[in-house]
Amino acid sequence: DAEITQSPRHKITETGRQVTLACHQTWNHNNMFWYRQDLGHGLRLIHYSYGVQDTNKGEVSDGYSVSRSNTEDLPLTLESAASSQTSVYFCASSESAGTDTQYFGPGTRLTVL
Amino acid sequence: AQTVTQSQPEMSVQEAETVTLSCTYDTSESDYYLFWYKQPPSRQMILVIRQEAYKQQNATENRFSVNFQKAAKSFSLKISDSQLGDAAMYFCAYRSNFGNEKLTFGTGTRLTIIP
Repeated sequence: DAEITQSPRHKITETGRQVTLACHQTWNHNNMFWYRQDLGHGLRLIHYSYGVQDTNKGEVSDGYSVSRSNTEDLPLTLESAASSQTSVYFCASSESAGTDTQYFGPGTRLTVL
Repeated sequence: AQTVTQSQPEMSVQEAETVTLSCTYDTSESDYYLFWYKQPPSRQMILVIRQEAYKQQNATENRFSVNFQKAAKSFSLKISDSQLGDAAMYFCAYRSNFGNEKLTFGTGTRLTIIP
């Protein structure tokens, strides 16, 4: 069955380190998204992509970057991890524009010490 | 910018009873989608139900139904015959049909099922 996976599921890192969270989907969806989930804020959009070589900033993009070299993957990189980036991160995907449903990965819990 | 408000941080219901979760949103657009997602302790985000704004008929999915009031910008979720497996965080979300396809989420309602 097609799916969306994230790795690692849990990560502990230190302030200042570079961290990359992986997201892989097998639906061949063009659209991919990264959200972070924090208490009291719901999920907030970090970055998104509409296809290969396309990336866009969301509402909380500072300190994060993404790249899209193929359809299946959208890795999220924290250039220099900060304690404020301790959160649960979700990747999601959807078909081309006109489809209304995003499907979510299982999430990655990141702790920055 | 669109906003989504869930004013009930926590709700509880007796097993087999009916519960309604509230959601209001603010937008100047006329064409959009609304969603309810369920997040159980496993953290997985699971789509429960969706509503297209141009459809007047309320969406239903088995025991889950919505009351969509477009003029009032209200989108409540009704869960009938509540089951223990319904215990979760429930998030209301908005998606414009213009521009990017990002979801705007509310802050969630934690639903507890009392046996």
